[in-house]
Amino acid sequence: GAGVSQSPRYKVTKRGQDVALRCDPISGHVSLYWYRQALGQGPEFLTYFNYEAQQDKSGLPNDRFSAERPEGSISTLTIQRTEQRDSAMYRCASSLESDTEAFFGQGTRLTVV
Amino acid sequence: ELKVEQNPLFLSMQEEKNYTIYCNYSTTSDRLYWYRQDPGKSLESLFVLLSNGAVKQEGRLMASLDTKARLSTLHITAAVHDLSATYFCAVFGYGGATNKLIFGTGTLLAVQP
Repeated sequence: GAGVSQSPRYKVTKRGQDVALRCDPISGHVSLYWYRQALGQGPEFLTYFNYEAQQDKSGLPNDRFSAERPEGSISTLTIQRTEQRDSAMYRCASSLESDTEAFFGQGTRLTVV
Repeated sequence: ELKVEQNPLFLSMQEEKNYTIYCNYSTTSDRLYWYRQDPGKSLESLFVLLSNGAVKQEGRLMASLDTKARLSTLHITAAVHDLSATYFCAVFGYGGATNKLIFGTGTLLAVQP
């Protein structure tokens, strides 16, 4: 596609439910990042893929968070047993190679009530 | 661990005056990116700086990189209202088995008429 696409744009969920956030990167982009951005803050690194391999997941807050990119294209960030503190904007970015310019999607606004 | 700091965090600018934002980072890197974010929007790539001494200019904005000092600057010439936004620097960190893009805290620019 023309840009990084994320879905849904908005997600409201009840505490304790699982959610899955989707990222469709720019076609041909090898690297894919997930970030979380709180209001008034910079993007906080969560995890990073090169092709289908999860290279770094050191930013995932706890074991309720997981991510996959099984075919090296679309990625899913899953949050199990959501808590109110998980409410944030979740952003995905992709880049052509591992250290080139990253392009961001519009993000998914997650609200846990 | 790579840390990226920006200052100032907030800058109230007068039209037609010049200002500078600073971005410091803690470990060796030769790849630094500047992004702009408008309220409620995604991050837009502004500059890609890939070597020591790199300088890029676009309109009233000029970015430079000093890898020895681990410092990048974003200089604003003759500020105008449409430059009001939050600006982030992001540094690509090389470390062991993982490389990743780490963002600074952001600088909120507000141009006053």
